[in-house]
Amino acid sequence: IAGITQAPTSQILAAGRRMTLRCTQDMRHNAMYWYRQDLGLGLRLIHYSNTAGTTGKGEVPDGYSVSRANTDDFPLTLASAVPSQTSVYFCASSDVAGVTGELFFGEGSRLTVL
Amino acid sequence: GQNIDQPTEMTATEGAIVQINCTYQTSGFNGLFWYQQHAGEAPTFLSYNVLDGLEEKGRFSSFLSRSKGYSYLLLKELQMKDSASYLCAVSDSNYQLIWGAGTKLIIKP
Repeated sequence: IAGITQAPTSQILAAGRRMTLRCTQDMRHNAMYWYRQDLGLGLRLIHYSNTAGTTGKGEVPDGYSVSRANTDDFPLTLASAVPSQTSVYFCASSDVAGVTGELFFGEGSRLTVL
Repeated sequence: GQNIDQPTEMTATEGAIVQINCTYQTSGFNGLFWYQQHAGEAPTFLSYNVLDGLEEKGRFSSFLSRSKGYSYLLLKELQMKDSASYLCAVSDSNYQLIWGAGTKLIIKP
């Protein structure tokens, strides 16, 4: 089934540990995004990539890094996790860079930092 | 600053009609989106408006007034499966999406 796959679906992590959330899409979409979703707040963009080999910072990039070595994969790394990074993380993709069309979302990764 | 406002929660009755409003203030405008998100699941696309007027898609319709910075999502013939959060998002001048916090819609039998 075509779409976006995220892993892990859920993780509990000790503060200070390094964590990578994986995201893979098989739709050959150019643009990919990482959002976090917190109760009472809208989705907030962490980082994005308009095409393989390029990345950009979103609204809340501090403490996170990304890479886009190829079209399909867009991992998000927390170098040293802190409790404020407890959230649900969604990876998304779109056919074109710049949002004028539908975003396709992964099922989310629920991260708890203790 | 950029802002998207929508009600936090609404309640409606199965079979009825409900209108979910969204107002926005953004730097530029390149379209407005509505997404549906069931609890514990990913958001899924419902509609996209870039010109003023009403877009109808089955039981769901979305309206846009750019001059008023206003949109609404209209859901007809409500079903229990429509219980979900409805997210309003605007694509700004940089083609970045600004998201509202979402409206939780509760459907009662």
